Amino acid sequence: AQSVTQLGSHVSVSEGALVLLRCNYSSSVPPYLFWYVQYPNQGLQLLLKYTSAATLVKGINGFEAEFKKSETSFHLTKPSAHMSDAAEYFCAVSDQGNTGGFKTIFGAGTRLFVKA
Amino acid sequence: DVKVTQSSRYLVKRTGEKVFLECVQDMDHENMFWYRQDPGLGLRLIYFSYDVKMKEKGDIPEGYSVSREKKERFSLILESASTNQTSMYLCASSLLSGLNSPLHFGNGTRLTVT
Repeated sequence: AQSVTQLGSHVSVSEGALVLLRCNYSSSVPPYLFWYVQYPNQGLQLLLKYTSAATLVKGINGFEAEFKKSETSFHLTKPSAHMSDAAEYFCAVSDQGNTGGFKTIFGAGTRLFVKA
Repeated sequence: DVKVTQSSRYLVKRTGEKVFLECVQDMDHENMFWYRQDPGLGLRLIYFSYDVKMKEKGDIPEGYSVSREKKERFSLILESASTNQTSMYLCASSLLSGLNSPLHFGNGTRLTVT
């Protein structure tokens, strides 16, 4: 079964500083990886996804992630944090179900705090 | 835009009650999912369905069942609610186009069982 591990349940940065949220995956086949963001009192929304077309993936709101097979990592970055980036971020991987469908497995999440 | 609507934002139920959480999507998606979200545990998959009347257990199906009689609607049922089922429940949908289909989420139902 495929899985993802997010390193750090909480990350705090100053406004304007680099944001780095870490995700490592475990997969026996080329993975399909995603980053989602959850703002307070809302559901999750897609930030970006990796589908093997390019190792550097650009998403919404200035975020990007780099797929590194040698490190089994898919870390999320943003060059300059904004107060509005404060949210919880989830790394996720797609997997095949047992009876024909597809399912998505999530990491435990990383809450990003942005200090003024 | 895809809209996934969960019928209740907040729900308070008593131990032993039968609880129905309803989810409707308006984009003709084949896949639908129920997750529960707990602090420090992320999202855990309860059940999912890739077609009408089809369902598959996720990672934590115990104490839950589901129903998918119509393509747009996916119901989560707690047969006899218990306090350890107090949680945020998130419904999601996606196209059945493969492993690269992203999920579209509802805003969640916060269930409290007393």
